[in-house]
Amino acid sequence: GAGVSQSPSNKVTEKGKDVELRCDPISGHTALYWYRQRLGQGLEFLIYFQGNSAPDKSGLPSDRFSAERTGESVSTLTIQRTQQEDSAVYLCASSLGATDTQYFGPGTRLTVL
Amino acid sequence: AQSVTQPDIHITVSEGASLELRCNYSYGATPYLFWYVQSPGQGLQLLLKYFSGDTLVQGIKGFEAEFKRSQSSFNLRKPSVHWSDAAEYFCAVGPHSNDYKLSFGAGTTVTVRA
Repeated sequence: GAGVSQSPSNKVTEKGKDVELRCDPISGHTALYWYRQRLGQGLEFLIYFQGNSAPDKSGLPSDRFSAERTGESVSTLTIQRTQQEDSAVYLCASSLGATDTQYFGPGTRLTVL
Repeated sequence: AQSVTQPDIHITVSEGASLELRCNYSYGATPYLFWYVQSPGQGLQLLLKYFSGDTLVQGIKGFEAEFKRSQSSFNLRKPSVHWSDAAEYFCAVGPHSNDYKLSFGAGTTVTVRA
């Protein structure tokens, strides 16, 4: 596709359930990022993948959060045992290389009841 | 550590009037600076970016921004606002060197009145 895509666009879940969010980056982009946007706030960095290098997980808020990426393609962000404070929009971005412009997907709005 | 401050949470402007959104950053080296716009229910769209060179940067949708190193600022401007410019605007700094993430300001919401 032409841009970054994310699925689902909306996800409502119950507290304690696990959720998986998916990101398809722009073809050929080696770098992929996950950010979280809480209501009324800017974006917080979560995790960064660059090619086959070890990911930078420094932004993950707890061990309930994890992410995987297969090569230079799809990434999934998993949140285990969701809590109400996990409610946010989760945005994925990709870039050609590590310091190139990041292009964002439309996000997944997660609501934890 | 890099950080971004957007002092104005909300700005209301009349259609056809000029708009300026403020952004101040803290960064240890020459920064890469960005402005993104987010319309309701949409992802972030890049308006413009500054990497080096001319400090006045032109972007899409008639926006421009000026990098002022002495003031650590990167303010966004548009001479004449259209109703479709109502959105949330984010200033960001990075990535650079070994720090690949973007650091975002909290955003400024722009309302356009007829």
